[in-house]
Amino acid sequence: QSVLTQPPSASETPGRRVTIFCSGGRSNIGNNPVKWYQQLPGTAPKLLIYRNDQRPSGVPDRFSGSKSGTSASLAISGLQSEDEADYYCAAWDDSLNGQVFGGGTKLTVL
Amino acid sequence: QVQLQESGPGLVKPSETLSLTCTVSGGSVSTGSYYWNWIRQPPGKGLEWIGYVYYSGSVNYNPSLKSRVTISVDTSRTQFSLTLNSVTAADTAVYYCARIHTSGFDPDYWGQGSLVTVSS
Repeated sequence: QSVLTQPPSASETPGRRVTIFCSGGRSNIGNNPVKWYQQLPGTAPKLLIYRNDQRPSGVPDRFSGSKSGTSASLAISGLQSEDEADYYCAAWDDSLNGQVFGGGTKLTVL
Repeated sequence: QVQLQESGPGLVKPSETLSLTCTVSGGSVSTGSYYWNWIRQPPGKGLEWIGYVYYSGSVNYNPSLKSRVTISVDTSRTQFSLTLNSVTAADTAVYYCARIHTSGFDPDYWGQGSLVTVSS
């Protein structure tokens, strides 16, 4: 059982926009910046978003993040086949004093 | 650009000790701005935070693993290490080391991961 809650799957057609939601609590998302990772099969997670809405250099602006209260979301616009991957949200948790993760959302590009 | 690389045995027998090392290049483990973490991912499952060490040597562990885990830092070698005792098949996973900013305001950096299989 993951501390942060994400839908297990999402799907959309190429070129469209998809949004993945992540829900937490006051000790994690409510009080700390949110991160989003993309994991392609057989590879390490890649940081897509940090500090709620910031993209590391090299991440396309098709990826955007937002946060409100104890929830966050990742939006991917102009979907491409290479966006098919698992996506994880994460945040530091003040009660655990460690990083907590969502269970991951498997995105299928139809 | 900081880089992290895990190293250690890929196969450990049940009841024995798993040991991994993370070597940091392009940066120092002696700065006070970061936690040096271990995170794992069992095959086909999600991510689990194991614990961190701070440059001073202070640590914090996931309560679910606390009785079996030790994380330490060697500032002279720019390395930090993980040991996990009394392993079982449930500890089979890809183990990642990661640098995480203490306030979350800087990007994380992760290693490529090291698969450890627990089997006799």
